Amino acid sequence: ETGVTQTPRHLVMGMTNKKSLKCEQHLGHNAMYWYKQSAKKPLELMFVYNFKEQTENNSVPSRFSPECPNSSHLFLHLHTLQPEDSALYLCASSQGGESWDEQFFGPGTRLTVL
Amino acid sequence: AQKITQTQPGMFVQEKEAVTLDCTYDTSDPSYGLFWYKQPSSGEMIFLIYQGSYDQQNATEGRYSLNFQKARKSANLVISASQLGDSAMYFCAMREGRGAQKLVFGQGTRLTINP
Repeated sequence: ETGVTQTPRHLVMGMTNKKSLKCEQHLGHNAMYWYKQSAKKPLELMFVYNFKEQTENNSVPSRFSPECPNSSHLFLHLHTLQPEDSALYLCASSQGGESWDEQFFGPGTRLTVL
Repeated sequence: AQKITQTQPGMFVQEKEAVTLDCTYDTSDPSYGLFWYKQPSSGEMIFLIYQGSYDQQNATEGRYSLNFQKARKSANLVISASQLGDSAMYFCAMREGRGAQKLVFGQGTRLTINP
């Protein structure tokens, strides 16, 4: 495996379900990100982890709970979601620190909340 | 106020022609970076090119070049000799300040290359 991988690629869940999205990067990076991409809206940053520490929470509702057990893995735990949370969720990684490095994105998880 | 503005929701171009995708930005920080990403229908965001605010020359990467006009706060992407595989959504993004990791994205431009 190379680059950034995300599982599952597609997820359909009810509002009372609990599910988790997984992201794994094989690039040796130290920073990982969750983004939300809704139809007709710009990509929105949700969370940033730098060296396993959360450094950014962009006013995300508590029904989204991130977890970063190590620099290679990032999870997004979902519970009691709303239909408006249906979107493409993208994970990204970068070198981290103060470099002007680009972010490498995974293929995304297409989430549908019924 | 929007930090990144892409005024072209959609563009249609003939194969082999050059195309310019517009991007203007708004920041008061003297240190910032500008990025362009391509998103095919598969969903993955692919990094194309980067321009730093202190870079003296316009960035180039193969068929991609960035027309950076600092005074106008614009960072247009130029794709030369377009190919059918260039059809995708294109996003301009900005990071402000050294050490910052927050990328702010524009609305995107859907580019369609016609044979």
